Amino acid sequence: GNSVTQMEGPVTLSEEAFLTINCTYTATGYPSLFWYVQYPGEGLQLLLKATKADDKGSNKGFEATYRKETTSFHLEKGSVQVSDSAVYFCALSALSSGYSTLTFGKGTMLLVSP
Amino acid sequence: GAVVSQHPSRVICKSGTSVKIECRSLDFQATTMFWYRQFPKQSLMLMATSNEGSKATYEQGVEKDKFLINHASLTLSTLTVTSAHPEDSSFYICSANHPSGTHNEQFFGPGTRLTVL
Repeated sequence: GNSVTQMEGPVTLSEEAFLTINCTYTATGYPSLFWYVQYPGEGLQLLLKATKADDKGSNKGFEATYRKETTSFHLEKGSVQVSDSAVYFCALSALSSGYSTLTFGKGTMLLVSP
Repeated sequence: GAVVSQHPSRVICKSGTSVKIECRSLDFQATTMFWYRQFPKQSLMLMATSNEGSKATYEQGVEKDKFLINHASLTLSTLTVTSAHPEDSSFYICSANHPSGTHNEQFFGPGTRLTVL
């Protein structure tokens, strides 16, 4: 079956530090890959996505590259802000019976201090 | 963009009562919606897949008689927690499948915090 593994948190950084959150996956076929962000008390927001190998998703300074050879989709940001503090979920999507089902990693909490 | 709403955002109820949570796709039609449950500091657990006009498909271990799902229209799915107990307290999140391009995407609602006393 499909699975997503991401690094455990919390990840604690100072403002303007470089961020990497690792994510690897196991899947049959060719899934799409996503990063979602969840701010405290809220639902999930799509941060970025990549639909095929070597695609790079980017948004709000975050980026991740779909690496088929290493089955990875690591999230990076060059300079984090306090407002980036949230929980980040890596996920993959596989088409099944005409709709996509998402498989989530366990989430990584990011805490950014001033 | 695609917007999904949930109502209510928070609900507190007494043990033994039933609670209905609504999930609406506001600017698109969704033939498929999903219901997730999230425990504190944990990931999302898919509870069921809701298909418009047909019965929901429940994940293993989810009691379908306890968590009733109805997807009566292309923009509305409801989750009813029947005879709620304190252990049902959780954050419930819905998502709707948006048929964009060749890759169906899910858009998430803001979640409903259920507290059962």
